[in-house]
Amino acid sequence: DTEVTQTPKHLVMGMTNKKSLKCEQHMGHRAMYWYKQKAKKPPELMFVYSYEKLSINESVPSRFSPECPNSSLLNLHLHALQPEDSALYLCATAASGYQGTGELFFGEGSRLTVL
Amino acid sequence: AQTVTQSQPEMSVQEAETVTLSCTYDTSESDYYLFWYKQPPSRQMILVIRQEAYKQQNATENRFSVNFQKAAKSFSLKISDSQLGDAAMYFCAYRSVTGANSKLTFGKGITLSVRP
Repeated sequence: DTEVTQTPKHLVMGMTNKKSLKCEQHMGHRAMYWYKQKAKKPPELMFVYSYEKLSINESVPSRFSPECPNSSLLNLHLHALQPEDSALYLCATAASGYQGTGELFFGEGSRLTVL
Repeated sequence: AQTVTQSQPEMSVQEAETVTLSCTYDTSESDYYLFWYKQPPSRQMILVIRQEAYKQQNATENRFSVNFQKAAKSFSLKISDSQLGDAAMYFCAYRSVTGANSKLTFGKGITLSVRP
Protein backbone atom coordinates (compact mmCIF):
# COMPACT_ATOMS: atom_id res chain seq x y z
CA ASP A 1 0.00 0.00 0.00
CA THR A 2 1.33 3.40 -0.94
CA GLU A 3 1.46 5.86 1.94
CA VAL A 4 1.59 8.87 -0.35
CA THR A 5 -1.55 9.07 -2.44
CA GLN A 6 -1.78 11.16 -5.59
CA THR A 7 -4.92 11.98 -7.55
CA PRO A 8 -5.78 11.86 -10.34
CA LYS A 9 -3.56 9.17 -11.81
CA HIS A 10 -4.15 10.52 -15.31
CA LEU A 11 -5.19 13.99 -16.42
CA VAL A 12 -5.75 15.38 -19.90
CA MET A 13 -6.30 19.10 -20.18
CA GLY A 14 -6.42 21.83 -22.76
CA MET A 15 -4.15 24.85 -22.64
CA THR A 16 -6.95 27.08 -21.33
CA ASN A 17 -8.13 24.73 -18.59
CA LYS A 18 -7.60 25.04 -14.85
CA LYS A 19 -7.00 21.82 -12.97
CA SER A 20 -5.34 20.61 -9.79
CA LEU A 21 -3.18 17.70 -8.76
CA LYS A 22 -3.56 16.47 -5.21
CA CYS A 23 -1.22 14.65 -2.85
CA GLU A 24 -2.10 13.26 0.57
CA GLN A 25 0.12 11.67 3.21
CA HIS A 26 -0.45 10.36 6.70
CA MET A 27 3.15 9.65 7.60
CA GLY A 28 3.57 12.73 9.78
CA HIS A 29 6.28 14.05 7.49
CA ARG A 30 6.77 17.81 7.50
CA ALA A 31 8.70 18.12 4.22
CA MET A 32 6.69 17.72 1.01
CA TYR A 33 7.93 17.93 -2.55
CA TRP A 34 6.69 18.28 -6.11
CA TYR A 35 8.84 16.81 -8.87
CA LYS A 36 8.31 16.81 -12.63
CA GLN A 37 9.59 13.85 -14.64
CA LYS A 38 9.89 13.41 -18.37
CA ALA A 39 10.22 9.96 -19.91
CA LYS A 40 13.58 8.26 -19.32
CA LYS A 41 14.82 11.27 -17.33
CA PRO A 42 15.38 11.83 -13.61
CA PRO A 43 12.79 13.77 -11.64
CA GLU A 44 13.31 17.53 -11.56
CA LEU A 45 12.52 19.36 -8.36
CA MET A 46 9.79 21.99 -8.61
CA PHE A 47 8.78 22.98 -5.07
CA VAL A 48 9.52 22.09 -1.47
CA TYR A 49 7.28 22.77 1.50
CA SER A 50 8.59 22.61 5.02
CA TYR A 51 6.11 22.79 7.88
CA GLU A 52 3.44 23.97 5.43
CA LYS A 53 5.55 26.87 4.20
CA LEU A 54 7.06 27.12 0.73
CA SER A 55 10.81 26.89 1.19
CA ILE A 56 12.11 26.12 -2.29
CA ASN A 57 10.78 27.22 -5.67
CA GLU A 58 13.09 26.06 -8.44
CA SER A 59 12.18 28.95 -10.76
CA VAL A 60 9.02 27.23 -11.85
CA PRO A 61 6.72 29.21 -14.22
CA SER A 62 3.75 30.85 -12.52
CA ARG A 63 1.30 28.67 -14.45
CA PHE A 64 2.16 26.11 -11.74
CA SER A 65 0.90 27.19 -8.33
CA PRO A 66 1.55 25.02 -5.27
CA GLU A 67 -0.52 25.03 -2.11
CA CYS A 68 -0.13 23.27 1.21
CA PRO A 69 -3.40 23.70 3.14
CA ASN A 70 -2.31 21.47 6.04
CA SER A 71 0.39 19.02 7.04
CA SER A 72 -1.27 16.14 5.17
CA LEU A 73 -2.16 17.77 1.87
CA LEU A 74 -0.20 19.23 -1.00
CA ASN A 75 -1.83 20.59 -4.13
CA LEU A 76 -0.47 21.73 -7.46
CA HIS A 77 -2.78 24.09 -9.32
CA LEU A 78 -2.40 24.17 -13.08
CA HIS A 79 -3.48 26.98 -15.38
CA ALA A 80 -2.69 27.89 -18.97
CA LEU A 81 -0.24 25.05 -19.39
CA GLN A 82 1.77 24.35 -22.53
CA PRO A 83 2.13 21.02 -24.33
CA GLU A 84 5.73 20.79 -23.11
CA ASP A 85 4.38 20.62 -19.55
CA SER A 86 3.11 17.13 -20.30
CA ALA A 87 4.94 14.85 -17.87
CA LEU A 88 4.65 12.67 -14.81
CA TYR A 89 4.23 14.77 -11.68
CA LEU A 90 5.51 13.12 -8.53
CA CYS A 91 4.72 14.06 -4.97
CA ALA A 92 7.11 12.99 -2.23
CA THR A 93 7.39 13.39 1.52
CA ALA A 94 10.24 13.08 4.00
CA ALA A 95 10.98 13.44 7.65
CA SER A 96 12.90 16.62 8.34
CA GLY A 97 16.60 16.90 9.02
CA TYR A 98 18.01 14.21 11.30
CA GLN A 99 14.60 12.71 11.97
CA GLY A 100 13.67 9.47 10.26
CA THR A 101 15.87 7.60 7.85
CA GLY A 102 16.45 10.27 5.23
CA GLU A 103 14.66 8.90 2.22
CA LEU A 104 11.86 10.50 0.29
CA PHE A 105 8.65 8.52 -0.04
CA PHE A 106 7.03 8.91 -3.43
CA GLY A 107 3.47 8.66 -4.63
CA GLU A 108 2.57 6.83 -7.81
CA GLY A 109 2.46 10.06 -9.76
CA SER A 110 -0.06 11.90 -11.89
CA ARG A 111 0.40 11.54 -15.64
CA LEU A 112 -0.46 14.90 -17.21
CA THR A 113 -1.13 15.42 -20.91
CA VAL A 114 -1.64 18.95 -22.20
CA LEU A 115 -3.33 19.22 -25.58
CA ALA B 1 26.23 22.12 -5.05
CA GLN B 2 26.08 18.38 -4.99
CA THR B 3 26.13 16.36 -8.20
CA VAL B 4 25.43 12.71 -8.91
CA THR B 5 26.82 10.96 -11.98
CA GLN B 6 25.61 7.76 -13.56
CA SER B 7 27.62 7.32 -16.73
CA GLN B 8 26.03 4.14 -18.07
CA PRO B 9 22.63 4.77 -19.68
CA GLU B 10 21.75 1.09 -20.15
CA MET B 11 22.81 -2.32 -18.92
CA SER B 12 21.61 -5.84 -19.50
CA VAL B 13 21.97 -8.93 -17.30
CA GLN B 14 21.06 -12.57 -17.66
CA GLU B 15 18.48 -13.84 -15.23
CA ALA B 16 20.12 -15.33 -12.07
CA GLU B 17 23.40 -13.50 -12.78
CA THR B 18 24.94 -10.57 -10.90
CA VAL B 19 25.13 -7.01 -12.16
CA THR B 20 26.73 -3.86 -10.76
CA LEU B 21 25.43 -0.36 -11.42
CA SER B 22 27.89 2.49 -10.98
CA CYS B 23 27.41 5.89 -9.38
CA THR B 24 29.76 8.67 -8.35
CA TYR B 25 28.93 11.89 -6.59
CA ASP B 26 30.51 15.13 -5.58
CA THR B 27 29.97 16.98 -2.32
CA SER B 28 31.82 19.04 0.25
CA GLU B 29 29.65 17.75 3.08
CA SER B 30 30.82 15.07 5.49
CA ASP B 31 27.43 13.72 6.49
CA TYR B 32 24.75 12.80 3.98
CA TYR B 33 22.55 10.03 2.68
CA LEU B 34 22.91 8.05 -0.52
CA PHE B 35 20.14 6.04 -2.09
CA TRP B 36 19.31 3.77 -4.97
CA TYR B 37 15.76 4.10 -6.22
CA LYS B 38 14.05 1.79 -8.69
CA GLN B 39 11.36 2.98 -11.08
CA PRO B 40 9.63 0.21 -13.01
CA PRO B 41 7.38 0.97 -15.96
CA SER B 42 4.51 1.14 -13.48
CA ARG B 43 6.27 4.40 -12.57
CA GLN B 44 6.30 4.55 -8.76
CA MET B 45 9.74 5.42 -7.40
CA ILE B 46 10.68 2.71 -4.90
CA LEU B 47 13.59 2.81 -2.48
CA VAL B 48 15.98 -0.08 -3.02
CA ILE B 49 18.69 0.67 -0.50
CA ARG B 50 19.98 3.46 1.74
CA GLN B 51 23.47 4.33 2.98
CA GLU B 52 24.33 6.84 5.66
CA ALA B 53 27.71 8.42 5.00
CA TYR B 54 28.94 8.18 8.57
CA LYS B 55 28.49 4.40 8.54
CA GLN B 56 31.49 2.56 7.10
CA GLN B 57 29.64 -0.71 6.73
CA ASN B 58 28.10 -1.25 3.32
CA ALA B 59 24.31 -1.52 3.35
CA THR B 60 22.61 -4.71 2.20
CA GLU B 61 18.97 -5.55 1.55
CA ASN B 62 18.45 -9.17 0.54
CA ARG B 63 19.82 -9.48 -3.04
CA PHE B 64 20.88 -5.84 -3.15
CA SER B 65 24.12 -4.52 -1.71
CA VAL B 66 26.24 -1.44 -2.15
CA ASN B 67 29.94 -0.74 -2.35
CA PHE B 68 30.31 2.63 -0.64
CA GLN B 69 33.73 4.24 -1.03
CA LYS B 70 33.48 7.58 0.76
CA ALA B 71 36.94 8.85 -0.09
CA ALA B 72 36.45 8.02 -3.75
CA LYS B 73 32.86 9.32 -3.65
CA SER B 74 31.63 6.16 -5.24
CA PHE B 75 28.37 4.30 -4.51
CA SER B 76 27.72 1.25 -6.69
CA LEU B 77 24.76 -1.12 -6.46
CA LYS B 78 25.18 -4.87 -6.84
CA ILE B 79 22.16 -6.97 -7.70
CA SER B 80 22.68 -10.69 -7.12
CA ASP B 81 20.56 -13.49 -8.58
CA SER B 82 18.86 -11.06 -10.97
CA GLN B 83 15.16 -11.58 -11.53
CA LEU B 84 12.86 -10.48 -14.32
CA GLY B 85 11.15 -8.14 -11.88
CA ASP B 86 14.42 -6.24 -11.43
CA ALA B 87 14.03 -4.75 -14.90
CA ALA B 88 13.52 -1.03 -14.35
CA MET B 89 15.20 2.33 -14.38
CA TYR B 90 17.55 2.79 -11.42
CA PHE B 91 18.46 6.18 -10.01
CA CYS B 92 21.31 6.95 -7.66
CA ALA B 93 20.46 9.86 -5.37
CA TYR B 94 22.02 12.11 -2.73
CA ARG B 95 20.42 13.95 0.13
CA SER B 96 21.98 16.26 2.71
CA VAL B 97 21.34 15.46 6.34
CA THR B 98 21.19 19.06 7.41
CA GLY B 99 18.29 21.26 6.46
CA ALA B 100 14.70 20.52 7.31
CA ASN B 101 13.75 20.34 3.67
CA SER B 102 16.84 19.17 1.87
CA LYS B 103 16.14 17.98 -1.62
CA LEU B 104 17.01 14.72 -3.30
CA THR B 105 19.55 15.10 -6.10
CA PHE B 106 19.30 12.39 -8.75
CA GLY B 107 21.71 10.97 -11.26
CA LYS B 108 20.53 10.56 -14.85
CA GLY B 109 19.49 6.98 -14.23
CA ILE B 110 20.28 3.66 -15.85
CA THR B 111 17.87 1.35 -17.60
CA LEU B 112 18.41 -2.26 -16.56
CA SER B 113 17.02 -5.06 -18.68
CA VAL B 114 16.97 -8.70 -17.54
CA ARG B 115 17.24 -11.44 -20.17
CA PRO B 116 15.31 -14.65 -19.44
